[in-house]
Order: sequence, then structure tokens, then C-alpha cells
Amino acid sequence: QQQVKQSPQSLIVQKGGISIINCAYENTAFDYFPWYQQFPGKGPALLIAIRPDVSEKKEGRFTISFNKSAKQFSLHIMDSQPGDSATYFCAASNTGGFKTIFGAGTRLFVKA
Amino acid sequence: DVKVTQSSRYLVKRTGEKVFLECVQDMDHENMFWYRQDPGLGLRLIYFSYDVKMKEKGDIPEGYSVSREKKERFSLILESASTNQTSMYLCAIWALADYGYTFGSGTRLTVV
Repeated sequence: QQQVKQSPQSLIVQKGGISIINCAYENTAFDYFPWYQQFPGKGPALLIAIRPDVSEKKEGRFTISFNKSAKQFSLHIMDSQPGDSATYFCAASNTGGFKTIFGAGTRLFVKA
Repeated sequence: DVKVTQSSRYLVKRTGEKVFLECVQDMDHENMFWYRQDPGLGLRLIYFSYDVKMKEKGDIPEGYSVSREKKERFSLILESASTNQTSMYLCAIWALADYGYTFGSGTRLTVV
């Protein structure tokens, strides 16, 4: 069964530090690689996403780095804030979202 | 931005009841999805729809059905609720321009 392996399971970062979450996928037949942020009791929110023909995408403090040859991608959160404390999921999706594989999630805690 | 609204945040139902979960989007997106989210099992696809009256089974369709009579509305039906259907249910649309899903806030269903 196809998987997206996400690490670490949990992460504690000091306020102002850089949070890094990594994902690796097994299949090359995906078109989009999104990251979702989820707060307790809420639905996941799309944070940032990238296509495999791009190596990096930055939106504010959030950056995706994508390594197609290694089948790996990562989320970097710069200047991490306590309000960033949430669970983050990576995913790999085909066009239309009909086939999406989610990572298991990373619980991030940013210490004030 | 598209808004995905799930009619109930919390529901408590009895075993054997027929349960309807409603989801409405405020734009013209064709692809709509129902997921359930459980600790340790992650997000699992129940059903999706790519147009009015069109539906496809996801990974765990057993015990569920769906209805899409209008483009903006996608309903999940639990034919005879069971305790193992206690879960967080998430409706989503696929927004191609965003490269990912927009999820609703979720419905926390408890079957007693």
C-alpha cells in the first residue's frame, strides 16, 4: 500500500526558532503536495502546497522544499510562534483530489 | 475563498438510528469528499462525488451512503449507526487553484 511517511511524530521548538517537518513518498504519480494545519477540534486547513516541478515555495513564514529525485519534501516554519502549535499533515494528491495519501501527522508545540 | 459548511459540530445518536450529515459549499466546485478522522488511523476517505448525482466509493464505504442532488450540497448517510462509527467526520472540496482540499470544521459524531 502506498504511503507517505512523515517525521517527526512530535516536535518542540522555542519561540522564534525554525520548525522542520519531513515527508517521503513512494509513488511518483502525484500532482500536488499540500501541507495542512489542524487545531484541536477543528478541520484541517490548507497551509501551503507545491507541484513536483518546483523545488521550493515560500508563503510568509512557511516554506516547502521539494526534492523530486529523493521523493522527499519538507515544511519549514520560520520564526515559530506559540500560535503555530498544532498538528501538521503532509499529503500527496493527484489532480482533482481523487487519490490522496496523508502523512500520519506531526504535533508541533512552540514554547513561549 | 470557498467556504465549506457542515451543519452540525457535535451529534449524539443512538445505535441503529439513520444519521444524516450535511455539507454545503458556497462556490461551484465539482469535487466533494467525505473523510473520517480517528486517532491512530488518520484521515480515511469514505466517499467522493465529482458532479451532481455522481459518486464513487472511497477506502471505507461500508455502512455509509451519500447523496448529491445539488452541486453545492453533499450529504453523508449512516444507514444504521453503530458505535464503531463514532468519529470526526470531515467534508472537503478540491480547489485546483489552491492545490489542495478546503475542509469544513468537522462534525464530531458519537454513537451510543
